[in-house]
Amino acid sequence: EAEVAQSPRYKITEKSQAVAFWCDPISGHATLYWYRQILGQGPELLVQFQDESVVDDSQLPKDRFSAERLKGVDSTLKIQPAELGDSAMYLCASSPIRDTEAFFGQGTRLTVV
Amino acid sequence: GENVEQHPSTLSVQEGDSAVIKCTYSDSASNYFPWYKQELGKRPQLIIDIRSNVGEKKDQRIAVTLNKTAKHFSLHITETQPEDSAVYFCAANSGNTPLVFGKGTRLSVIA
Repeated sequence: EAEVAQSPRYKITEKSQAVAFWCDPISGHATLYWYRQILGQGPELLVQFQDESVVDDSQLPKDRFSAERLKGVDSTLKIQPAELGDSAMYLCASSPIRDTEAFFGQGTRLTVV
Repeated sequence: GENVEQHPSTLSVQEGDSAVIKCTYSDSASNYFPWYKQELGKRPQLIIDIRSNVGEKKDQRIAVTLNKTAKHFSLHITETQPEDSAVYFCAANSGNTPLVFGKGTRLSVIA
């Protein structure tokens, strides 16, 4: 069964350092989402891609976060510099088109120390 | 943008009883309403979804109802079992808006 792949699974970084997360969606899925999930809360949308284009990044803290999906396949989310409040689970999800089931990856758990 | 409110935040039921979780949404253009279950340490997984042209959908012990006029939808779990214990999230979107989630309901089924 096809799955959304994310790496790394866990990342510990020091405050003010740069960190990057990678996501490989299910083959053929045009829509890709990055969410941040703080323990016990719902996933909060950071950015949505449709193919290689950003559709919604209104909740992305653009002073420190960036995201790209250059060839419309895999995607990278970067934080620079990381802050203590960035500690969370970062989830990637993909769907064939926008208003259909989104499949989640295992996530990257980020700890900023 | 879309805003999804979910209630209650926590819910405890006795095994065998029913559980109901309610959500409201703000964007009348939303036409897709999925429900996800997230077990501790795992990824969210879809358990049921409904589209705006349908008022109710059932899958074994799980059902979802949608009231477009009132902009609310609900998840119903009957004959609850301990393995139903998890966090449940509702969400909403349309072809033009991203998938927005509620804050979640932690369901505990007491044996």
